[in-house]
Amino acid sequence: NAGVTQTPKFQVLKTGQSMTLQCAQDMNHEYMSWYRQDPGMGLRLIHYSVGAGITDQGEVPNGYNVSRSTTEDFPLRLLSAAPSQTSVYFCASSYSSMGSGTGNTIYFGEGSWLTVV
Amino acid sequence: GDSVTQMEGPVTLSEEAFLTINCTYTATGYPSLFWYVQYPGEGLQLLLKATKADDKGSNKGFEATYRKETTSFHLEKGSVQVSDSAVYFCALRTYSSASKIIFGSGTRLSIRP
Repeated sequence: NAGVTQTPKFQVLKTGQSMTLQCAQDMNHEYMSWYRQDPGMGLRLIHYSVGAGITDQGEVPNGYNVSRSTTEDFPLRLLSAAPSQTSVYFCASSYSSMGSGTGNTIYFGEGSWLTVV
Repeated sequence: GDSVTQMEGPVTLSEEAFLTINCTYTATGYPSLFWYVQYPGEGLQLLLKATKADDKGSNKGFEATYRKETTSFHLEKGSVQVSDSAVYFCALRTYSSASKIIFGSGTRLSIRP
């Protein structure tokens, strides 16, 4: 069971370039989301999805695009990279149910370290 | 809105010291509460969780009790080790916004040998 898989783990971009961070989960989770982690600010929600074909904005969506064509995949696109997007990005997934047990847990990928120069 | 406040770091302790990292929350209804840990250069791992009032989550010697009356979920460990050096995040998830998890700002813990 692979869990949540993110690629790439490290990436350096030039300002203005575009790229896609990939995220895949094999747990048949309905919910998927993207967070960015910046020093002293914890994790902030960029975009999230409650199921295939349904996405919505989080706290810091500007400069990012998402789509969810399948249950398994939730890619994050940087349209025109800026130095302010230098960060660590985490993909997460979970079941929609909030019952007790493992169904309540949100699982995270290992992170993608992105630097924009 | 829903939020999590945790003590600012960094926290530096000697090995075998007692650890407390404070976490309080604001949420509508009855959230589920989590502690996640991030070791250097790695992703987030679930450390422990509690889903209702008075529940105690525990793992790897760490404990936290869901206190509804004080809206708190403080993390404790009786005797820390160098290997516990990491960043610890308190987080919550609510029924009304089950698709999201809300994090505190994180507390960096360093343990001296």
